[in-house]
Amino acid sequence: KNQVEQSPQSLIILEGKNCTLQCNYTVSPFSNLRWYKQDTGRGPVSLTIMTFSENTKSNGRYTATLDADTKQSSLHITASQLSDSASYICVVSANYGGSQGNLIFGKGTKLSVKP
Amino acid sequence: DVKVTQSSRYLVKRTGEKVFLECVQDMDHENMFWYRQDPGLGLRLIYFSYDVKMKEKGDIPEGYSVSREKKERFSLILESASTNQTSMYLCASSTRWGAFFGQGTRLTVV
Repeated sequence: KNQVEQSPQSLIILEGKNCTLQCNYTVSPFSNLRWYKQDTGRGPVSLTIMTFSENTKSNGRYTATLDADTKQSSLHITASQLSDSASYICVVSANYGGSQGNLIFGKGTKLSVKP
Repeated sequence: DVKVTQSSRYLVKRTGEKVFLECVQDMDHENMFWYRQDPGLGLRLIYFSYDVKMKEKGDIPEGYSVSREKKERFSLILESASTNQTSMYLCASSTRWGAFFGQGTRLTVV
């Protein structure tokens, strides 16, 4: 079954520190992987998109990596800010429809940045 | 920029009422989705649609129906709202490059 697993489930860090969130997937055939940031009470907003051939992509203080061989992705946040407190969701797109549509979601990592 | 707009941010309805949640996208996407999001459970797919008048059940379709009469609009219908349908509802549209989400509707059924 197509699945996306994220870890940790939740994370608390101090402002200014770095952190790394993990995403493992078993989706086939793979099309792409997106990381989303979801502020409390809002819809998810896309941070990065990774295709099969891409290893690393940055968006400001966010850097995503993808290892298509091991089916793992990470999201690294540098010099965290209070506004980074949110849930981060990993979503993998499959190249077909299936019973889940073509989108398979992780359950997210809830990040809290403390002053 | 892709825009996915949900008709309401907050909604309070009574048990037994028929509830309509509307979603409109402006990018001519064929795929549209309705999810609900509950603490600890992540996003769960209720229904999705690949084209006008086409719909597919997701993981938790019970108690819901959908309508897609026009490509840009995907409606979620709660036939008879119950308290266990209190949740955050998210609409999305997608291409093969990923999904774009609406701002969410926080529905409370009392």
